[in-house]
Amino acid sequence: ILNVEQSPQSLHVQEGDSTNFTCSFPSSNFYALHWYRWETAKSPEALFVMTLNGDEKKKGRISATLNTKEGYSYLYIKGSQPEDSATYLCASQTGANNLFFGTGTRLTVIP
Amino acid sequence: NAGVMQNPRHLVRRRGQEARLRCSPMKGHSHVYWYRQLPEEGLKFMVYLQKENIIDESGMPKERFSAEFPKEGPSILRIQQVVRGDSAAYFCASSFASESYEQYFGPGTRLTVT
Repeated sequence: ILNVEQSPQSLHVQEGDSTNFTCSFPSSNFYALHWYRWETAKSPEALFVMTLNGDEKKKGRISATLNTKEGYSYLYIKGSQPEDSATYLCASQTGANNLFFGTGTRLTVIP
Repeated sequence: NAGVMQNPRHLVRRRGQEARLRCSPMKGHSHVYWYRQLPEEGLKFMVYLQKENIIDESGMPKERFSAEFPKEGPSILRIQQVVRGDSAAYFCASSFASESYEQYFGPGTRLTVT
């Protein structure tokens, strides 16, 4: 069992503000790092899968970076909008195929 | 292309009954994963299956729980003689291949044991 930790647990930001949150994971046996966006009553939606140290990925206003040596990933949201309100989950994948999830960061964007 | 389908979405069982949860993966996906979310906890891996094979069941309780993914038809997670502690949301995910591919999640089945 891997200990994947996310911080902060919850976050409130004003519309238009940029924000970021952290995922830390054990760097040994690392295979891939997944980010998901999970809206209430919906399925978790895959955002990014990253495998290489120094990887950066971007999708619209959302981007993520990966540091496998020190075991952390950041997710950034630029110019937050109310529709960005959701729980953002990260998950570490080891050589096995299952994902070890953090408990998520719950983001609320206030209009 | 329909996403991952799970049914039922809500299931109520009395203690001692059996619960059967179904998962149809996305078209073309042959890898299925089951996760459980207990109240106030994160998603926890239970089992990983490919068609007709259990690949990794390290997260599955040893008793009362079983899973299958037959050649034809959906994957089934079966819980026998349910207890109150089995009340949780059970999510299924599928992927095209296991290495570094996104796992696409279904909407989950919320099991309530009374």
